[in-house]
Amino acid sequence: ILNVEQSPQSLHVQEGDSTNFTCSFPSSNFYALHWYRWETAKSPEALFVMTLNGDEKKKGRISATLNTKEGYSYLYIKGSQPEDSATYLCAFGGNDMRFGAGTRLTVKP
Amino acid sequence: DAGVIQSPRHEVTEMGQEVTLRCKPISGHNSLFWYRQTMMRGLELLIYFNNNVPIDDSGMPEDRFSAKMPNASFSTLKIQPSEPRDSAVYFCASSPQGWYGYTFGSGTRLTVV
Repeated sequence: ILNVEQSPQSLHVQEGDSTNFTCSFPSSNFYALHWYRWETAKSPEALFVMTLNGDEKKKGRISATLNTKEGYSYLYIKGSQPEDSATYLCAFGGNDMRFGAGTRLTVKP
Repeated sequence: DAGVIQSPRHEVTEMGQEVTLRCKPISGHNSLFWYRQTMMRGLELLIYFNNNVPIDDSGMPEDRFSAKMPNASFSTLKIQPSEPRDSAVYFCASSPQGWYGYTFGSGTRLTVV
């Protein structure tokens, strides 16, 4: 069983705040790490796929970094907007991605 | 492409009945995954297929659950007999060869009463 831990479990921020959360995973036998955004009543949507130590990915105001040696990835949101409110999932593994429990982000106007 | 298509969107059934959930992956994707989402356990992998072959079914809760992929464009997840604790949202996802992001279907919300 691969243990993927995400923290914090939930986060409430004001519109305009920048925020970040963490995904921790086993540092041995690394294959890939995914970040997904999951809005209520919808299905998870892929944000980033990261495979190399030191990877940095960016999509608009959202970016992610990867440290495979120490087993963590950070997701950053710059200038949070209410529409960023969602659960952010990370998943670790090869062909059988195992998901963390997610960080539920609420951005208040 | 219409994306990953799951049916039905909602299913309400009585305990003991057989339930079949269906999934059509994106054309050309050769990996297919079945996940279950519950409040207690989050999103957990049940089984996945590569090129229509089941690779890892260690996440299937018990023998009441079975999954098939008779061809590259169709998969089923069957629960027989169903129990109230099977109530959850079941997601199907597909992916092309390699470590790419998954595309998820809209899910099937199953309620067993």
